[in-house]
Amino acid sequence: QSVLTQPPSVSGAPGQRVTISCTGSSSNIGAGYDVHWYQQVPGTVPKLLIYGNNNRPSGVPDRFSGSKSGTSASLAITGLQAEDEADYYCQSYDSSLSGSVFGGGTKLTVL
Amino acid sequence: EVQLVESGGGLVQPGGSLRLSCAASGFTFSNFWMYWVRQAPGSGLEWVANINQDGGEKYYVDSVKGRFTISRDNAKNSLYLQMNRLRAEDTAVYYCARISGPFRKYYFDYWGQGTLVTVSS
Repeated sequence: QSVLTQPPSVSGAPGQRVTISCTGSSSNIGAGYDVHWYQQVPGTVPKLLIYGNNNRPSGVPDRFSGSKSGTSASLAITGLQAEDEADYYCQSYDSSLSGSVFGGGTKLTVL
Repeated sequence: EVQLVESGGGLVQPGGSLRLSCAASGFTFSNFWMYWVRQAPGSGLEWVANINQDGGEKYYVDSVKGRFTISRDNAKNSLYLQMNRLRAEDTAVYYCARISGPFRKYYFDYWGQGTLVTVSS
């Protein structure tokens, strides 16, 4: 069981908007630590998608955005495209573990 | 260009040992905390161990404490993971990863391609 909780799956049609939630606790997200998001196409290495709650690395389309409030965070994807089909993971720091923690991952299906 | 290249994975029997290596290039290795992250087949990502810049601080996920040891050699730009008393549940792809960002707000900006460890009789 992962320290950060994500829905196992979400889906949407091309062009639609979807959101993926990430719920933590007072020792990680709720403690003020940043949330970061990764995209992993099956069989490939995870790719940094959002860092510092809502910042996009160079090359990541502005269709991807992040937000954080309290003990939770969300990743929003607008204008869904077939190439967005992948697994998405949130990550934060946990003070009780002295290390990074991940969500269990959310599989995005583009219908 | 930042590169992280893992090696050392393979098939090992339960109770056996393996040593993973990660060769880093393209950045000043001694300036960064480094991590090992694993992903079991069909599962999510899990932090395994981390180490600070000079190797004086090391932390482990509870499930590997006392069995795994993380280390680094800054002169060789290399990160290691010594895995002893391996169990079937240690079967996973092991990634070497670099972190960036402020203390405790860091993120993984570069990942190796991963090396597969299979623990089976």
